[in-house]
Amino acid sequence: AQKVTQAQTEISVVEKEDVTLDCVYETRDTTYYLFWYKQPPSGELVFLIRRNSFDEQNEISGRYSWNFQKSTSSFNFTITASQVVDSAVYFCALSEGRAGNNRKLIWGLGTSLAVNP
Amino acid sequence: DAGITQSPRYKITETGRQVTLMCHQTWSHSYMFWYRQDLGHGLRLIYYSAAADITDKGEVPDGYVVSRSKTENFPLTLESATRSQTSVYFCASILGQGWSPLHFGNGTRLTVT
Repeated sequence: AQKVTQAQTEISVVEKEDVTLDCVYETRDTTYYLFWYKQPPSGELVFLIRRNSFDEQNEISGRYSWNFQKSTSSFNFTITASQVVDSAVYFCALSEGRAGNNRKLIWGLGTSLAVNP
Repeated sequence: DAGITQSPRYKITETGRQVTLMCHQTWSHSYMFWYRQDLGHGLRLIYYSAAADITDKGEVPDGYVVSRSKTENFPLTLESATRSQTSVYFCASILGQGWSPLHFGNGTRLTVT
């Protein structure tokens, strides 16, 4: 069965520390997509990144970087030099099966990150 | 660019009442979704729709009804609200091409007393 595990329920860091949020997934599909979303305290859900299973290149966007490793079924998210504005709940998600008429995602339970000044 | 709009933002209703949560998107996205978010459960899919007049159940559809007569609207109705349906509800949409990212509305916080 497909599954996404975010083992870290809560993380607390001090500003300027680097922090890595783990995401481990299970799937039988050979083609799949992984996503990260951010939910700040204001409550909206914001898309951060999408990665397909054929692209294992790491992605960097400013202070954010993502490490996709198929060998360990992980898609980890690192924030470098964290800031208070990074405080949020972060969700990892996995596409379920072939697209077709289905666009359902399998969601992790989220990691709540608190960045303290 | 209004995007995807949910209304109301907050709603308090009583057990047994019918309540409808509205979702409207201006992008002409094919797919629309309703999720509920609860502590300890993350995001759970209630219903989704691939196009007008095409809807399908998600993980937790019991007690909910949806319709999609127009591409841009996807209302969610709780036919007889229960306290267990107290939650934050998110509507989302995507283009119909492959696994596009979801675009979420701002959510509706529903309390059933």
